[in-house]
Amino acid sequence: DADVTQTPRNRITKTGKRIMLECSQTKGHDRMYWYRQDPGLGLQLIYYSFDVKDINKGEISDGYSVSRQAQAKFSLSLESAIPNQTALYFCATSDLGANEQFFGPGTRLTVL
Amino acid sequence: GQQLNQSPQSMFIQEGEDVSMNCTSSSIFNTWLWYKQDPGEGPVLLIALYKAGELTSNGRLTAQFGITRKDSFLNISASIPSDVGIYFCAGQNSGAGSYQLTFGKGTKLSVIP
Repeated sequence: DADVTQTPRNRITKTGKRIMLECSQTKGHDRMYWYRQDPGLGLQLIYYSFDVKDINKGEISDGYSVSRQAQAKFSLSLESAIPNQTALYFCATSDLGANEQFFGPGTRLTVL
Repeated sequence: GQQLNQSPQSMFIQEGEDVSMNCTSSSIFNTWLWYKQDPGEGPVLLIALYKAGELTSNGRLTAQFGITRKDSFLNISASIPSDVGIYFCAGQNSGAGSYQLTFGKGTKLSVIP
């Protein structure tokens, strides 16, 4: 089984809809991250969490919110989706004190 | 904010050729990471570098942490078709109190059989 899983893998939604992307990990890592990837661009950090009670904004947090329900679960919400939020979304984890991040398989989101 | 310039943006090479790509930063990093992303998948960590001047290999891949701490390069020797994908560098300066990674925009590698 994969260490970092994301659901759904693909999602098509309409402008104005609220959607949630979920991430689960079995690596036992404290730190979790949400990134967005657009074609031809690197990964941009949306939010990150260093433990269950810690949530921090990344470079592009506007229009997004997150919830860290447990050490193993970190969800990303789009309260009112807009077309320019069409992108690939990746969840990642890292261990306390370690710099390496491990990525999930991604969610392809299309907002019509 | 920190900026990473990764080059080249894309490359087409013949199978068996060696490949070189690099990243330069406007500021110092104390960790460099290299990832590969296959189509439809998440990035997979290839090599991690922690010390200026460090040279690390992983099979046919070799990466170096530049002495100035502002650059890193990745070499792939004797390329094969499964090397196709997008390679990303990422830098981190945890000494600044942040564990965020800054990513380059990627090098898209195509291998012609």
